[in-house]
Amino acid sequence: QKEVEQNSGPLSVPEGAIASLNCTYSDRVSQSFFWYRQYSGKSPELIMSIYSNGDKEDGRFTAQLNKASQYVSLLIRDSQPSDSATYLCAVTESNAGNMLTFGGGTRLMVKP
Amino acid sequence: DGGITQSPKYLFRKEGQNVTLSCEQNLNHDAMYWYRQDPGQGLRLIYYSQIVNDFQKGDIAEGYSVSREKKESFPLTVTSAQKNPTAFYLCATEKDTSNQPQHFGDGTRLSIL
Repeated sequence: QKEVEQNSGPLSVPEGAIASLNCTYSDRVSQSFFWYRQYSGKSPELIMSIYSNGDKEDGRFTAQLNKASQYVSLLIRDSQPSDSATYLCAVTESNAGNMLTFGGGTRLMVKP
Repeated sequence: DGGITQSPKYLFRKEGQNVTLSCEQNLNHDAMYWYRQDPGQGLRLIYYSQIVNDFQKGDIAEGYSVSREKKESFPLTVTSAQKNPTAFYLCATEKDTSNQPQHFGDGTRLSIL
């Protein structure tokens, strides 16, 4: 049973739209949540960190955390073709010594 | 220039050969990790080290070995026992183990000749 789940996609959105990426996790006491962007053939790049319930905004990106429902999401406003990538959700798992556990990633395609 | 350096970028392995992938960091991070990524798949943890001279197996350690003799270095050896080594190998570091994010090197792409 996967501990961090993401829809593999592809999620296709038109340029200028809001892209919504979701992630659910199983560990109720997880403390830290991260979103990474991975372009094809490249390594993952950290784009957002969130540690407490609510929203955290950084430019066009907003991370949303709901610990009661055990989900974390990433919204990308005014999506651009350059946002086309795979987005990985990562969660610290207390039953694994606070190790990061990665979801399988959601592939986002932004169409001009 | 601070960061995580993986070398080589591309590596080819002959059958029966051991190959070593290098990962060096000058971020003074305590923890280092090796992941394997197959095409269209997520990251799978091979080995990790949270302190010098100590390392732990991840989910897919069979056919791999590591060492952590220095804080800056965490080389991964892909042995001949790993029958399907073709993949993208990623090294990551973490400042400490207190809920910090991991940061990745540029990766090494390994193929079989």
